[in-house]
Amino acid sequence: SYELTQPPSVSVSPGQTASIPCSGNKLGDKYVCWYQQKPGQSPVLVIYQDTKRPSGIPERFSGSNSGNTATLTISGTQAMDEADYYCQAWGSSTVVFGGGTKLTVL
Amino acid sequence: QVQLQESGPGLVKPSETLSLTCSVSGGSISPYYWSWIRQPPGKGLEWIGYINYNGSTNYNPSLKSRVTLSVDTSKNQFSLKVSSVTAADTAVYYCVRTIRYSSSLNWFDPWGQGTLVTVSS
Repeated sequence: SYELTQPPSVSVSPGQTASIPCSGNKLGDKYVCWYQQKPGQSPVLVIYQDTKRPSGIPERFSGSNSGNTATLTISGTQAMDEADYYCQAWGSSTVVFGGGTKLTVL
Repeated sequence: QVQLQESGPGLVKPSETLSLTCSVSGGSISPYYWSWIRQPPGKGLEWIGYINYNGSTNYNPSLKSRVTLSVDTSKNQFSLKVSSVTAADTAVYYCVRTIRYSSSLNWFDPWGQGTLVTVSS
């Protein structure tokens, strides 16, 4: 079965750039989405189709996907961006989520 | 603005059937796809399956033998049943609109608030 791998945690200082990787076999051949989940809340879509931002998502959120790795980048990270982030793609005819990355802003 | 609301029992006994309903407001259930996704406490997300307004379904192979999705367009609702539940089925269950352009291009937005279902005797 297809798997997506994310680091359990990433730390970033306020105002700096955070990069959260998501790896999978030939992931660049698939479309990747990213979701943000804050404690006690439902996930929110922040990136779809590799690079597109839904309406209402700040411009500091961006995505890329090439080779075996997709990356969510948060420029000028703010304290409010502290959350769990999940990547998602379709693999082996089913939806696959990464294990999630906890972003700490400190 | 579409809103989704899950409803159903918060406690289910082992070996019984878990049943949840999602009510969609602020928009029509047609022509979209609608998914159920669950999240065990403290763990990650697991897609259960989706259904469209015509009743066409696609299930996660790991759950397919125990899951049934249905849709009621007259009530703007869709439902989930999971049979023969065990403690491993304890999770927050989310209903989610699925934007599906192709078999490989789709995303989940928006999500319901989620409902915790505990499997315990």
